Amino acid sequence: AQKVTQAQTEISVVEKEDVTLDCVYETRDTTYYLFWYKQPPSGELVFLIRRNSFDEQNEISGRYSWNFQKSTSSFNFTITASQVVDSAVYFCALMENTGTASKLTFGTGTRLQVTL
Amino acid sequence: NAGVTQTPKFQVLKTGQSMTLQCAQDMNHEYMSWYRQDPGMGLRLIHYSVGAGITDQGEVPNGYNVSRSTTEDFPLRLLSAAPSQTSVYFCASSSLAGPNTGEQFFGEGSRLTVL
Repeated sequence: AQKVTQAQTEISVVEKEDVTLDCVYETRDTTYYLFWYKQPPSGELVFLIRRNSFDEQNEISGRYSWNFQKSTSSFNFTITASQVVDSAVYFCALMENTGTASKLTFGTGTRLQVTL
Repeated sequence: NAGVTQTPKFQVLKTGQSMTLQCAQDMNHEYMSWYRQDPGMGLRLIHYSVGAGITDQGEVPNGYNVSRSTTEDFPLRLLSAAPSQTSVYFCASSSLAGPNTGEQFFGEGSRLTVL
């Protein structure tokens, strides 16, 4: 069965610090997708990134970067020079794609608090 | 640009009452799903559908019923509400093919309280 582990329940940093959110996943499939979502205090879920299992290139988008390593089954998320607006709960998720049985499994989330 | 629309946003029920959470999407997505979010547990999949007429159970299906008669709509029914069903519910949809495969578009959430 697929599983996503976000071991960090809560992280607090001071603005401008870099912070890395860890995500470890388990799957028996060779084809799968990994995601990160942000849930700000307002409650909506905001899509950040999708990565398929065949693409191990790291990705950078502004202050955000993602490190995908199949060898360690990890898909970590780094925020550089954090800002107060980054305060949110961040979810890592895994979707196996076995025919028509596509299911998205979320980790339990990491709450990031950025203070001045 | 509606995306995924969930109604109602808030609902209070008494134990034993039934209700339906509505979800509609206008993106012609094949895949639709319902999650519940509880503190410290992330989002857990209740039911999902990969197309009209096809539904399947997720991780926590008990006490919930779904149907998918059209591509656009995926209502979630609580048959006999229990306090354990107090939660925030999210509906989501996604494409199953193409460059955006699997990217879930979420509704704004429905906060349900069962007394």
